[in-house]
Amino acid sequence: QVQLVESGGGMVQPGGSLRLSCAASGFPFSGYAMHWVRQAPGKGLEWVAYIQYDGNNKYYADSVQGRFTISRDNSKNTLYLQMNSLRTEDTAVYLCAKTGRSGWFSEYWGQGTLVTVSS
Amino acid sequence: DIQMTQSPPSLSASVGDRVTITCRASQGISNSLAWYQQAPGKVPKLLIYAASTLQSGVPSRFSGSGSGTDFTLSISSLQPEDVATYFCQRYNSAPLTFGPGTKVDIK
Repeated sequence: QVQLVESGGGMVQPGGSLRLSCAASGFPFSGYAMHWVRQAPGKGLEWVAYIQYDGNNKYYADSVQGRFTISRDNSKNTLYLQMNSLRTEDTAVYLCAKTGRSGWFSEYWGQGTLVTVSS
Repeated sequence: DIQMTQSPPSLSASVGDRVTITCRASQGISNSLAWYQQAPGKVPKLLIYAASTLQSGVPSRFSGSGSGTDFTLSISSLQPEDVATYFCQRYNSAPLTFGPGTKVDIK
């Protein structure tokens, strides 16, 4: 079955950096685009970034453009999110998600990793 | 950017009631619309994609309809396990956008 396991979250000061990972299994990782989505405490869902199956196309939310970088290593079945210049408003649970076969919807989700940006 | 709105923000209904949630896009998105269910303390779960296609394993009491700018999610007979927040999302192009959510409770 599809499994997505995020790691790398934690507490960081404003202006700091973190790299999140998402280990994928149970499906042909190299054949699917992936997303990062975040959810601030008690808030709704916010799409963060998308990466094409081969890594050649990437898109970002305006709120993270220029600060976050999505990447993937298909040889390791792993998705990454490098987060730089973190702000307090980046505090959220970050979830990775696998796209569907027929569109960019999020077919499966990981359990998420909490990122807290605070001084 | 295309904005997504949902109504109502919350609703309370009795077990067995029919429940309808509306999602509206600020521009036409064809049928590139998904619905997710997020139960309390859980991660989101895909219910419907392509506006009306039921994800495998999702109970048939859930259904979706619409195209263009106006979409609906219906639950034909509300069950206790349906207590959750429901989000719509457009996925036709980046940036992808979620609606603000509709919280469904049992009366």
